Amino acid sequence: QKEVEQDPGPLSVPEGAIVSLNCTYSNSAFQYFMWYRQYSRKGPELLMYTYSSGNKEDGRFTAQVDKSSKYISLFIRDSQPSDSATYLCAKGHSGGGADGLTFGKGTHLIIQP
Amino acid sequence: NAGVTQTPKFQVLKTGQSMTLQCAQDMNHEYMSWYRQDPGMGLRLIHYSVGAGITDQGEVPNGYNVSRSTTEDFPLRLLSAAPSQTSVYFCASSPRGDYGYTFGSGTRLTVV
Repeated sequence: QKEVEQDPGPLSVPEGAIVSLNCTYSNSAFQYFMWYRQYSRKGPELLMYTYSSGNKEDGRFTAQVDKSSKYISLFIRDSQPSDSATYLCAKGHSGGGADGLTFGKGTHLIIQP
Repeated sequence: NAGVTQTPKFQVLKTGQSMTLQCAQDMNHEYMSWYRQDPGMGLRLIHYSVGAGITDQGEVPNGYNVSRSTTEDFPLRLLSAAPSQTSVYFCASSPRGDYGYTFGSGTRLTVV
């Protein structure tokens, strides 16, 4: 079982909708999680990082970690066509992140105008 | 602030050739790492460094070498290129691993 799993999509939603992107992880000891956005033929761009359980909000984006179910979510409110990209969840390779990151395979999101 | 700079952006190699992918950051970050991205496989960690003089292997290190003589630079060397190393390579840096990494724009490598 891969340590971080994501549905590859594509996920297609109309402009203005609330988008929910999800990952599951295998080890309850993991504590630090990140969400990255990657546009086609570009490098990943850090959206948010979060620790352990609970919510973290930044503008239209909310990251949520549910430790009991080992579930990580990213919510995008008022989605825009410019949000169309691949979204990657990640965790520290062996926990803290000093030794790099382990990524899910990414979910391809399409926002229809 | 240039962030993380990778060169070259594109490269074509013949099987058996060697080359070095360059990575430099100007943010004084201690942690740096290399990844390859392949269709259907996602991003996979090749090597990482927690500071000058300290490197270690990641998930897929075979066929690659790294060194870290300065805080700024973290080059990735392909010893004898193989078609299986055709990929997009990303370098990343972080001041503190749990705050996330800043990525470069990538090197697109084709081995023929």
